[in-house]
Amino acid sequence: NAGVTQTPKFQVLKTGQSMTLQCAQDMNHEYMSWYRQDPGMGLRLIHYSVGAGITDQGEVPNGYNVSRSTTEDFPLRLLSAAPSQTSVYFCASSWSGDHSQETQYFGPGTRLLVL
Amino acid sequence: DQQVKQNSPSLSVQEGRISILNCDYTNSMFDYFLWYKKYPAEGPTFLISISSIKDKNEDGRFTVFLNKSAKHLSLHIVPSQPGDSAVYFCAASGKAAGNKLTFGGGTRVLVKP
Repeated sequence: NAGVTQTPKFQVLKTGQSMTLQCAQDMNHEYMSWYRQDPGMGLRLIHYSVGAGITDQGEVPNGYNVSRSTTEDFPLRLLSAAPSQTSVYFCASSWSGDHSQETQYFGPGTRLLVL
Repeated sequence: DQQVKQNSPSLSVQEGRISILNCDYTNSMFDYFLWYKKYPAEGPTFLISISSIKDKNEDGRFTVFLNKSAKHLSLHIVPSQPGDSAVYFCAASGKAAGNKLTFGGGTRVLVKP
């Protein structure tokens, strides 16, 4: 099993550009989520999904869109990149249900720099 | 306002000694707590968890203690090994918040040989 994969590993964008961060998992997990990690802030939840066709906002959703058309894939779209979106982005997946959801498997991350 | 705080950004310990990492939370609705470990250029990995109905959970060299009245949890690593050098994140969740994770800011641990 590849687990959770993310592409690209690193990306540089100019302010105003858009892009999609890809995330895929091969564990048939229902729950998938996107986090951003900033120094001293830990990981903050951007968006999450409890299954195909169902998404919801997390703590910091502004400027990001998601969709979940299949169980495996959960792409994150930056609509118009801003320097404040410079961060490391992690995708994670897990089983749904009490305390299974919290034990999440993380991808290796995408480092994004917005100039 | 951070609901989960790790007040020590870094910790240095000698190999073989105990590492103690601390975490405080403010939301009394949290009922499940976890520690994740992160190496550079990798994603976090789950380490250990504890439910609010317990005050201690042990897994090999790792023990998590929960003090609900103080809204405080700690992770003990005994004995510490150089491979334990990493960033450790405390996280909390609660049914009222849909079991979504809230993370602390992380503590960087360096274990010196």
